[in-house]
Amino acid sequence: QKEVEQNSGPLSVPEGAIASLNCTYSDRGSQSFFWYRQYSGKSPELIMFIYSNGDKEDGRFTAQLNKASQYVSLLIRDSQPSDSATYLCAVQTGAGSYQLTFGKGTKLSVIP
Amino acid sequence: NAGVMQNPRHLVRRRGQEARLRCSPMKGHSHVYWYRQLPEEGLKFMVYLQKENIIDESGMPKERFSAEFPKEGPSILRIQQVVRGDSAAYFCASSPDGGGYTFGSGTRLTVV
Repeated sequence: QKEVEQNSGPLSVPEGAIASLNCTYSDRGSQSFFWYRQYSGKSPELIMFIYSNGDKEDGRFTAQLNKASQYVSLLIRDSQPSDSATYLCAVQTGAGSYQLTFGKGTKLSVIP
Repeated sequence: NAGVMQNPRHLVRRRGQEARLRCSPMKGHSHVYWYRQLPEEGLKFMVYLQKENIIDESGMPKERFSAEFPKEGPSILRIQQVVRGDSAAYFCASSPDGGGYTFGSGTRLTVV
């Protein structure tokens, strides 16, 4: 049974601070890792993906992957109230199916 | 370039009726995925299709649920004899190559 675990939150950070979102996964065969943002009542929106160990930066977002520890994280620098949403971690084994296993998400609240 | 189009946005069905959910992938995308999101739950994979083929239906309930992606027209997720437990948001996603998905806006199914 593939599992993706996230703290449900809510995680509250003040505006301008760094928000750190964490995710662990159980399947060592996982190859691709995605972070989605979902506003209440809306569909998930892809923020970042990462395939290799290390850091990947895109604007205010940095994804970090450690396959040995089966851990992936998302850092949001200079957090804005508009970043308030639920962040979903998703893992793909890539074994021909391309299905994603999602965590339940972490609710982030950025306080002005 | 239109995104993934789903309709209807909201669907109300009485117990025992059939629900048909439609999804048109982004132009150039040949991979279609259906996910279900129950209240306070994460997104759960249901089925992965390419044109005229079901590639992976490991997440589909064994009864009452079916999916197709015909040569012409949208992908259809069909739920027969709906029950209250089928009430959820159903999201379709598409990708050109099995990588990061783009999700549609979803269909909110309510069974009364």
